[in-house]
Amino acid sequence: RKEVEQDPGPFNVPEGATVAFNCTYSNSASQSFFWYRQDCRKEPKLLMSVYSSGNEDGRFTAQLNRASQYISLLIRDSKLSDSATYLCVGTGFQKLVFGTGTRLLVSP
Amino acid sequence: GAGVSQSPRYKVAKRGQDVALRCDPISGHVSLFWYQQALGQGPEFLTYFQNEAQLDKSGLPSDRFFAERPEGSVSTLKIQRTQQEDSAVYLCASSLPRVRQKPYNEQFFGPGTRLTVL
Repeated sequence: RKEVEQDPGPFNVPEGATVAFNCTYSNSASQSFFWYRQDCRKEPKLLMSVYSSGNEDGRFTAQLNRASQYISLLIRDSKLSDSATYLCVGTGFQKLVFGTGTRLLVSP
Repeated sequence: GAGVSQSPRYKVAKRGQDVALRCDPISGHVSLFWYQQALGQGPEFLTYFQNEAQLDKSGLPSDRFFAERPEGSVSTLKIQRTQQEDSAVYLCASSLPRVRQKPYNEQFFGPGTRLTVL
């Protein structure tokens, strides 16, 4: 079993839709969590950090539930430019532990 | 400012060849990481340096993989006697020490080297 698991998708949604991604992690010792975005044939880039209190950045909201070892990302009012792979990421000692990624396709 | 750079961007090797992949981290970043990303997967940790010290090499898949950072700046990942299963994108990332970045130590990734072993 992978340490960070997420549905690979793809999620196909129309512009303007709200879409939610979920992820679970198995290492209860992980301290920090993030969502990274990766465009096709590009490097991963940090989208946002995830806190137990929730973290909102414009149309994006991330949430961490430590009791359930569950992380979520909500995207409201989807744009065509949101099409990408979203990587759920935990941390080990210094290193990042990535999920497989969830592919999002936003269509006109 | 300049980000993390990697070279070559693409490398095709015949099975059994040795390859060397280079990473230039962001200036001043003491932490450097190598990850391997197979097609359709997330990046997998290979190894981590703080300055010139290799503090974690638990992710290196075999003794054919070797990484070094002799002067605490540029790093090289070497793969000996390449096999087809080594085909992947090799990503390098750098970051400041955690104490200087609160509440987290963001890792900045280079564009990767796409290795294809025939």
